Amino acid sequence: ETGVTQTPRHLVMGMTNKKSLKCEQHLGHNAMYWYKQSAKKPLELMFVYNFKEQTENNSVPSRFSPECPNSSHLFLHLHTLQPEDSALYLCASSQGRPGYTEAFFGQGTRLTVV
Amino acid sequence: AQSVTQPDIHITVSEGASLELRCNYSYGATPYLFWYVQSPGQGLQLLLKYFSGDTLVQGIKGFEAEFKRSQSSFNLRKPSVHWSDAAEYFCAVAEAGNMLTFGGGTRLMVKP
Repeated sequence: ETGVTQTPRHLVMGMTNKKSLKCEQHLGHNAMYWYKQSAKKPLELMFVYNFKEQTENNSVPSRFSPECPNSSHLFLHLHTLQPEDSALYLCASSQGRPGYTEAFFGQGTRLTVV
Repeated sequence: AQSVTQPDIHITVSEGASLELRCNYSYGATPYLFWYVQSPGQGLQLLLKYFSGDTLVQGIKGFEAEFKRSQSSFNLRKPSVHWSDAAEYFCAVAEAGNMLTFGGGTRLMVKP
């Protein structure tokens, strides 16, 4: 069992659909993150949660809505996305204060918006 | 603001040859430095990290990196590359208390 598990691995959705990405970490970490990885662009931090509280929102459009019910689970709710939102969405977790320790990544969800 | 530059977008080396991937960062104090590797369709795996102390750090899979403050660099090295090392490599930097900032990545191809 990997430390950080993301589901689904692949997702194709229309621009009017609503879907959710799920992330679960089995490492006992307190911080969780969403990153976006687009072709030809560096990884972009989207959101940070620490002990279930959102501590960072990197100017992400409201069509992306995160949810963190507990320190082990993180969701990214998607609605009315645009084709340019197609990307690999990576979840990560870390122990301790965010920014002070290394992050452990899941395998990502490859999202295609049609 | 912190930034990370990986000057080489693609690098091709022969199997068994040595490897050096470059990373330069922009930050006033000593940052926390990381190298991650990403295989196709996979997430990122931590290879090594530098927080303080010895400036030559050893990582997994036979990789090492050296922090050079005077050059603001944290280059990744491996003495002998294996075909399984073909992947994309990301350098990342964090100011204490700030989030990771990633470089654009270097795609490594290994020739037989």
